[in-house]
Amino acid sequence: AQKVTQAQTEISVVEKEDVTLDCVYETRDTTYYLFWYKQPPSGELVFLIRRNSFDEQNEISGRYSWNFQKSTSSFNFTITASQVVDSAVYFCALYGYNKLIFGAGTRLAVHP
Amino acid sequence: GAVVSQHPSRVICKSGTSVKIECRSLDFQATTMFWYRQFPKQSLMLMATSNEGSKATYEQGVEKDKFLINHASLTLSTLTVTSAHPEDSSFYICSARDVPGQGREQYFGPGTRLTVT
Repeated sequence: AQKVTQAQTEISVVEKEDVTLDCVYETRDTTYYLFWYKQPPSGELVFLIRRNSFDEQNEISGRYSWNFQKSTSSFNFTITASQVVDSAVYFCALYGYNKLIFGAGTRLAVHP
Repeated sequence: GAVVSQHPSRVICKSGTSVKIECRSLDFQATTMFWYRQFPKQSLMLMATSNEGSKATYEQGVEKDKFLINHASLTLSTLTVTSAHPEDSSFYICSARDVPGQGREQYFGPGTRLTVT
């Protein structure tokens, strides 16, 4: 069975703070892919990143960075110097066994 | 980038009627399309997977006779909610993949908000 756990239901920060969103996954598939999506209030999903199970390199894109650790089955997402526009629901997702399944999501509120 | 559209964006229908939602890939051919449902403040739940020209594969617990999926062409999939009831009110999102193979990125549509009164 596959599972994605985002234990943080809601996070509230003040602008310019750094924030890390946790994602822990379970799968028996040896080849799998991990994703992060942003869902702003409009509802449309915004693709942020995809990693495959063979690539454990961390990635940085502007204020966003991702830490993938197979040893702990985690794929955490950090926003540096958060901004109000970062307020959204963030979903971690796992692709394996021909399905993309989503975690419960973390609602991030960034206050001025 | 690859664009997926959905129509309508919002629909209100009366209980007992059927409503059709269209999902189109605008600039690529979608070999596989997926339909998700999202209730307020909840995650996206996969309802079914459809390959062009084949019958859709439904997830456990999803009624295939209630949620009819047709993927008649490489750019169009439709979801028909038959005999809709208030509990079917939800945000329906489709996604499409351009090539087969594991882990290929899925391109998501903007979603359709269905309200059944």
